[in-house]
Amino acid sequence: GAGVSQTPSNKVTEKGKYVELRCDPISGHTALYWYRQSLGQGPEFLIYFQGTGAADDSGLPNDRFFAVRPEGSVSTLKIQRTERGDSAVYLCASSLNPGELFFGEGSRLTVL
Amino acid sequence: AQTVTQSQPEMSVQEAETVTLSCTYDTSENNYYLFWYKQPPSRQMILVIRQEAYKQQNATENRFSVNFQKAAKSFSLKISDSQLGDTAMYFCAFMMTFGGGSNYKLTFGKGTLLTVNP
Repeated sequence: GAGVSQTPSNKVTEKGKYVELRCDPISGHTALYWYRQSLGQGPEFLIYFQGTGAADDSGLPNDRFFAVRPEGSVSTLKIQRTERGDSAVYLCASSLNPGELFFGEGSRLTVL
Repeated sequence: AQTVTQSQPEMSVQEAETVTLSCTYDTSENNYYLFWYKQPPSRQMILVIRQEAYKQQNATENRFSVNFQKAAKSFSLKISDSQLGDTAMYFCAFMMTFGGGSNYKLTFGKGTLLTVNP
């Protein structure tokens, strides 16, 4: 596809469960970002990849959050032992030129 | 750490009028980029305009222009001839650069909800 694709678009889970969110970036984009956005707030940085490696993971809130991008394309954000406070829209973006991010539609996570 | 502040949570404007959204930022760096992103209701975020800090000339993109005041660390967005489709959340964002054209993390403000009224 032409844009950034995120799946699932909606995920409802129970507290304590494990969740994976997938991002398929624009082909050829070397940088990939994960952000988290709560209602009425700006995107909060989690992690970004340059190629296969995590160039900056300073935004991951704790060790329950982990992300991978094994082949430099698709990325998966993994959340262990989910908590109600993890409920948010998780945004993925990819980029070729500095700061020009192309965002997906997001994955809305609800933890009951 | 860099911070981005948008002091106007909500604004409204009449169609065809001009509106200015404010943004200030705090950094000790000299080389960086600034951006305005737009997030329409229930749609994904898109880039509106970008400014490199070393450029004195203000960026423009059709009806969108910025007023970049580096010394004051201010970066406002002006929308001329407002259209109904401009209704959206607008986010100001900051990114450091160390040269070489590499990407780094973007820090976003909390956003301004702009409503264009018919």
